[in-house]
Amino acid sequence: DVKVTQSSRYLVKRTGEKVFLECVQDMDHENMFWYRQDPGLGLRLIYFSYDVKMKEKGDIPEGYSVSREKKERFSLILESASTNQTSMYLCASSSPRDRNSGNTIYFGEGSWLTVV
Amino acid sequence: SQQGEEDPQALSIQEGENATMNCSYKTSINNLQWYRQNSGRGLVHLILIRSNEREKHSGRLRVTLDTSKKSSSLLITASRAADTASYFCATDASGSRLTFGEGTQLTVNP
Repeated sequence: DVKVTQSSRYLVKRTGEKVFLECVQDMDHENMFWYRQDPGLGLRLIYFSYDVKMKEKGDIPEGYSVSREKKERFSLILESASTNQTSMYLCASSSPRDRNSGNTIYFGEGSWLTVV
Repeated sequence: SQQGEEDPQALSIQEGENATMNCSYKTSINNLQWYRQNSGRGLVHLILIRSNEREKHSGRLRVTLDTSKKSSSLLITASRAADTASYFCATDASGSRLTFGEGTQLTVNP
């Protein structure tokens, strides 16, 4: 089974702190994604990466950056956390090589971030 | 931008009844997928239907796709309390990323 592991399930950070959310996948997937999920807004794509050291902005990249130094790891960085970044963050991965799955995405369990 | 929009936003039914959720989208797609999310957890892939398919079954799940109307439906037959979750449709238009709707919250009462 594909496993996407998010390092922290629950975090509480102070406004202005630098926050790292780490994600590791064990299926050698090329694509990795960071979403945030808020009530009434569904899932919104922050950033995605289709290869090591490559990144693409999603729909809401402002206030975030990402790092993909190794294929299995994709980090989301909040340079200076703000209260409006309180949310659930979901990491995911997929592989374009798996034609049968049609770009099915595999999600981690989520990280609940509260910024106070 | 939200490509898929689910309808209804919330659905409450009794165990044993069927649950139908709908999804509409705006642009041409390669495929459409349905995901399930238990409260506070990550999303899990349920079923995928390609743009050249009209109907697909998987266990108690039945998915239809009407590309002329840009819509899809997910039917869960003989629902169980364990089916209580949020259900999301996701469209693949570019081959590299999915766009998710806001989800339907399904509650199955025992």
